[in-house]
Amino acid sequence: SQKIEQNSEALNIQEGKTATLTCNYTNYSPAYLQWYRQDPGRGPVFLLLIRENEKEKRKERLKVTFDTTLKQSLFHITASQPADSATYLCALEKDSNYQLIWGAGTKLIIKP
Amino acid sequence: EPEVTQTPSHQVTQMGQEVILRCVPISNHLYFYWYRQILGQKVEFLVSFYNNEISEKSEIFDDQFSVERPDGSNFTLKIRSTKLEDSAMYFCARRTSVGGSNEQFFGPGTRLTVL
Repeated sequence: SQKIEQNSEALNIQEGKTATLTCNYTNYSPAYLQWYRQDPGRGPVFLLLIRENEKEKRKERLKVTFDTTLKQSLFHITASQPADSATYLCALEKDSNYQLIWGAGTKLIIKP
Repeated sequence: EPEVTQTPSHQVTQMGQEVILRCVPISNHLYFYWYRQILGQKVEFLVSFYNNEISEKSEIFDDQFSVERPDGSNFTLKIRSTKLEDSAMYFCARRTSVGGSNEQFFGPGTRLTVL
């Protein structure tokens, strides 16, 4: 069956360090992989999109990698800040119909 | 680009009642989506809407659900006879029309509580 797995345990990182979150998937061949941020009681907020032919994408302190051989994406936040504390979701585009399939998210806690 | 807005922010209803959740996007976007998220669980796709028609729906989106865009602006999700398990956050999202990629922009959500 098709699965998207994100680390279900909260990730605690010291302020200023780099946070790395993992998204693994099986039985998909996504054209795109996306990362979103979600704060409690709020809707997901789009952060970055990476295409299957891209290895890496950056935006300010954020970096996403995409390894279609390993079926894995890594999401990095450098120089992390307490304001980065949130749940981070990865999502894959299913087929070509633009439907997004979501991971359960990883809660990131940045400690001052 | 601005996000969509959703009303109401919170809806409380009795089991078996009908509810209508509303999404107000920018009128020139073609792709819209409804998702739900049960408390503590992952976001689940319900239905996508393209050019005023349903383009895809999930197994969750059974006969109790319907979507409409009655006046070309508001975009509604109707649940005909609510069940306890329909309690969740319901998010409307639009797809950006730039570049053909699929980043989606979500509304603030409606929290539905079925008693």
